[in-house]
Amino acid sequence: QSVLTQPPSVSGAPGQTVTISCTGSSSNIGAGYDVHWYHQVPGTKPKLVIYRDTHRPSGVPDRISGSRSGASPSLAISGLQAEDEGDYYCQSYDSSLSGYVFGTGTRVTVL
Amino acid sequence: EVQLLESGGGLVQPGESLRLSCAASGFTFSSYAMIWVRQAPGKGLEWVSSISGSGDRTYYAESVKGRFTISRDNPQKTHYLQMNSLRADDTATYYCAKGRFASGAYNWFDPWGQGTLVTVSS
Repeated sequence: QSVLTQPPSVSGAPGQTVTISCTGSSSNIGAGYDVHWYHQVPGTKPKLVIYRDTHRPSGVPDRISGSRSGASPSLAISGLQAEDEGDYYCQSYDSSLSGYVFGTGTRVTVL
Repeated sequence: EVQLLESGGGLVQPGESLRLSCAASGFTFSSYAMIWVRQAPGKGLEWVSSISGSGDRTYYAESVKGRFTISRDNPQKTHYLQMNSLRADDTATYYCAKGRFASGAYNWFDPWGQGTLVTVSS
């Protein structure tokens, strides 16, 4: 059972912007732990797209961005392209569980 | 180039055991935590277990505590997940991943291996 909550799905036309939220609690995101984001095309392995709330690994297009306002992190994908389709997961640490936690996942669909 | 290659998955009956391996290359293995994450068919990602770079600290999800054991062999650049008393709800693709740091709460996971499928069924 996932500890972090994400919207099940978001969609947009090519070129549009979509945003994905990640909601936690006082023992994880609310406690100040970093949030990281992964993209997974069904049938393939997850790939890191954002680390430490806002940082982009090399090779990830700058259309993908992370932000955080207090305990409310989010991922934005602008200039939506077909290659952006798939599932996106947030990840953090939970002090009550003494372990890492993932979000429920959000399916991004390009219309 | 950092590479991770899992092996050891397969079909087992409930109550049986299985050991997964993750062979690493392309980085100083002992300097980084290693992680196992699983994904049940059609479901999301679930952290399973982590081990510090030196191997002296291990962590487990509640769902596997007491049944799974993580370990590592730093000279061989390999880490393992020993899975005992397997249940049907352990059926999943198991991914190994490299942590950014040797230990700690601020790790993220990059890269990931291709995954190995474990099926628990009678």
